[in-house]
Amino acid sequence: KQEVTQIPAALSVPEGENLVLNCSFTDSAIYNLQWFRQDPGKGLTSLLLIQSSQREQTSGRLNASLDKSSGRSTLYIAASQPGDSATYLCAVENNDMRFGAGTRLTVKP
Amino acid sequence: DAGVTQSPTHLIKTRGQQVTLRCSPKSGHDTVSWYQQALGQGPQFIFQYYEEEERQRGNFPDRFSGHQFPNYSSELNVNALLLGDSALYLCASSRGPDQPQHFGDGTRLSIL
Repeated sequence: KQEVTQIPAALSVPEGENLVLNCSFTDSAIYNLQWFRQDPGKGLTSLLLIQSSQREQTSGRLNASLDKSSGRSTLYIAASQPGDSATYLCAVENNDMRFGAGTRLTVKP
Repeated sequence: DAGVTQSPTHLIKTRGQQVTLRCSPKSGHDTVSWYQQALGQGPQFIFQYYEEEERQRGNFPDRFSGHQFPNYSSELNVNALLLGDSALYLCASSRGPDQPQHFGDGTRLSIL
């Protein structure tokens, strides 16, 4: 059974810092891995999707990497801003989509 | 271009009652998936509908059932509600079963 773990559960940083969020999964047989952002009381917004054949994806200040063999992914956020404050979820997809519990990020002005 | 829309936004029910949640997919999408997200947890997959049939199902009891209509919209029904069913219910749609999913803002269900 696929298990997805995200570390840390919560993170607080001052504005301008670069930061890394971690995601690990137990079964490397995945189609893709996706990082989402969730604001309080809202749905999920897709940030980056990495296909199983890819190693990384970039969008603006965000960069996500995937190492299938070790069951790990990282989301790198450069020059963090208060508007980046949200919960970040990673999800792996095989026959269904399995989510981690998320990392709650607070960026202080 | 409207995204995924869910109704109602919030709902309060009591134990033992039944509830129906609704989802309209993003334009051009034909596949709908439902998730349950308990407070402080990641979403858990309930089931997916494609071509008006349940294509896949997660580890949820038969009290959870669904339907997809010819216009691709979908309903999630939960019978005999339990306190533990309190959660945010998310709907996601996609252009086919294995394509990237777009999420709605969810329905917050509270059971008293």
